[in-house]
Amino acid sequence: GDSVTQMEGPVTLSEEAFLTINCTYTATGYPSLFWYVQYPGEGLQLLLKATKADDKGSNKGFEATYRKETTSFHLEKGSVQVSDSAVYFCALRYNFNKFYFGSGTKLNVKP
Amino acid sequence: EAGVAQSPRYKIIEKRQSVAFWCNPISGHATLYWYQQILGQGPKLLIQFQNNGVVDDSQLPKDRFSAERLKGVDSTLKIQPAKLEDSAVYLCASSLVQLRDSSYEQYFGPGTRLTVT
Repeated sequence: GDSVTQMEGPVTLSEEAFLTINCTYTATGYPSLFWYVQYPGEGLQLLLKATKADDKGSNKGFEATYRKETTSFHLEKGSVQVSDSAVYFCALRYNFNKFYFGSGTKLNVKP
Repeated sequence: EAGVAQSPRYKIIEKRQSVAFWCNPISGHATLYWYQQILGQGPKLLIQFQNNGVVDDSQLPKDRFSAERLKGVDSTLKIQPAKLEDSAVYLCASSLVQLRDSSYEQYFGPGTRLTVT
């Protein structure tokens, strides 16, 4: 069945470091892919999305490219800030707008 | 615009007791979702409504969980009787419409943290 696997955390970085959070998926057909972010004490928010192969989603300095050949959707940011500390979820959308979520990766950014 | 509202934010109950959660989606959002998020895991869909009809409840443990959305707006999720393994955060989300090829964003509420002792 469809599933999402993302790297375990926590990931601890210093401010201005480069970030990569790996996400791979298993799916039949051609799903849409998403990254959601959950800041402390808040609900999940959509960070970025890509709906077809080779699409690049971007928002707030974060980017992810839909790679069909490697079934991946890795999240990257060139220079993280303390305010980026949160839990990041990779997600796969399948029939009728339903989602599979990865287990989440906690990011801690130290000043 | 107001976001998805949920209450209560926290609830502690003993096993075998019952509990209910309430969700008010964003105005005009036809689709409503309930998710269960166990600590250290991603959200898992329990039930999806389109207006007041159920679209998918295949992962809802129907022997103890029930949900309704009678007027196509607010929704309640009930657990009766609760088990220890029901300890989790229960998330409500809504989106504008459910179409096969759409990718309408889901908007999440802050969740209700349930602890069963």
